Amino acid sequence: SQQGEEDPQALSIQEGENATMNCSYKTSINNLQWYRQNSGRGLVHLILIRSNEREKHSGRLRVTLDTSKKSSSLLITASRAADTASYFCATDENAGNMLTFGGGTRLMVKP
Amino acid sequence: DTEVTQTPKHLVMGMTNKKSLKCEQHMGHRAMYWYKQKAKKPPELMFVYSYEKLSINESVPSRFSPECPNSSLLNLHLHALQPEDSALYLCASSQKGEETQYFGPGTRLLVL
Repeated sequence: SQQGEEDPQALSIQEGENATMNCSYKTSINNLQWYRQNSGRGLVHLILIRSNEREKHSGRLRVTLDTSKKSSSLLITASRAADTASYFCATDENAGNMLTFGGGTRLMVKP
Repeated sequence: DTEVTQTPKHLVMGMTNKKSLKCEQHMGHRAMYWYKQKAKKPPELMFVYSYEKLSINESVPSRFSPECPNSSLLNLHLHALQPEDSALYLCASSQKGEETQYFGPGTRLLVL
């Protein structure tokens, strides 16, 4: 079953702009992860944030986590056409290898 | 070797056929997973194997039969599938005690 929702479902921006995607979830979590999926292919892990962390950075990615609101956001700065993909958040309730994915945001970055 | 491989990439089968999907990883990961993903939807967990033993079955119909012959290999045996089973089937693996999962490219299955 789906843990939560992602917002927006689709996002179209120009190259160089920033892209922000939001994820909400329903239960307490151990960690929240963001994955990227190019069209019809496997998922690639981007970043993991634990429930006791509030913000994390990796290159052009910035992830925030607000456990009181049960929400997370992924910011991609200075977007590139190659960032065009679907982005999924995934929650892990027990660090027990069960990931539940959000609905995903389809990002299109126009050159 | 830091990748998960899946074969075949594409599979077309009739409802009476028996086929198998194969997944392999050589990263020494002891947890392996099967997910099903319909178009424009998120992946949905089907099975989890931990140390070659089935630990989670998310109420998947018996026409899907997983098998883990060894720590590097995971199969999904398919029999008497329905057209609604057409989807992208993703395999993933992870190191026990670590939360990050590594995904293969998937097998795109079409059931006629």
